[in-house]
Amino acid sequence: GQQLNQSPQSMFIQEGEDVSMNCTSSSIFNTWLWYKQDPGEGPVLLIALYKAGELTSNGRLTAQFGITRKDSFLNISASIPSDVGIYFCAGREGNEKLTFGTGTRLTIIP
Amino acid sequence: EAGVAQSPRYKIIEKRQSVAFWCNPISGHATLYWYQQILGQGPKLLIQFQNNGVVDDSQLPKDRFSAERLKGVDSTLKIQPAKLEDSAVYLCASSLTRSHDEQFFGPGTRLTVL
Repeated sequence: GQQLNQSPQSMFIQEGEDVSMNCTSSSIFNTWLWYKQDPGEGPVLLIALYKAGELTSNGRLTAQFGITRKDSFLNISASIPSDVGIYFCAGREGNEKLTFGTGTRLTIIP
Repeated sequence: EAGVAQSPRYKIIEKRQSVAFWCNPISGHATLYWYQQILGQGPKLLIQFQNNGVVDDSQLPKDRFSAERLKGVDSTLKIQPAKLEDSAVYLCASSLTRSHDEQFFGPGTRLTVL
């Protein structure tokens, strides 16, 4: 099945730095979602986007629904240790099933 | 509110053996999903139930995988016989209805096939 391409695959940053990651698709989506997965746990929804161009924040997290409807972006400001994990984007076209991205693994260097 | 429960958390079997996973969704959630997450990849939907009916099983390898949700509450996913490439984490998720984007995931069952 199709998977979305996420970039970068992994990031190594220092605490306090800002983080940017993106997700691209060959298909148009009308819903973009961002999830975080901690080791040994299932993904947890962070932000949901429903309109092209929409910019939504959740605390230090900000996500954007790309104008082309084929991409989305997630930014984390002033990273803290608990931000460590794998971030997944997911897209949905109409009432179709969610398609998940390949994930971006975030590591914070002490 | 209790989350999605799954058991077992870990399972190691040999190829050609059978295995079953159990999921109890959040109370009142009509929609239940089973995902397969291979190491280094995102979750891939195997099957989606709306109450006790199947909505989407287009990516379920039906020659070896089966799932049921007989009473519209808990669900089991079975693999018979298992292959090496079935090694993965099997995640169960639930949502209030089909149109709700917030799917609540369980901790998953990590399956290793030797």
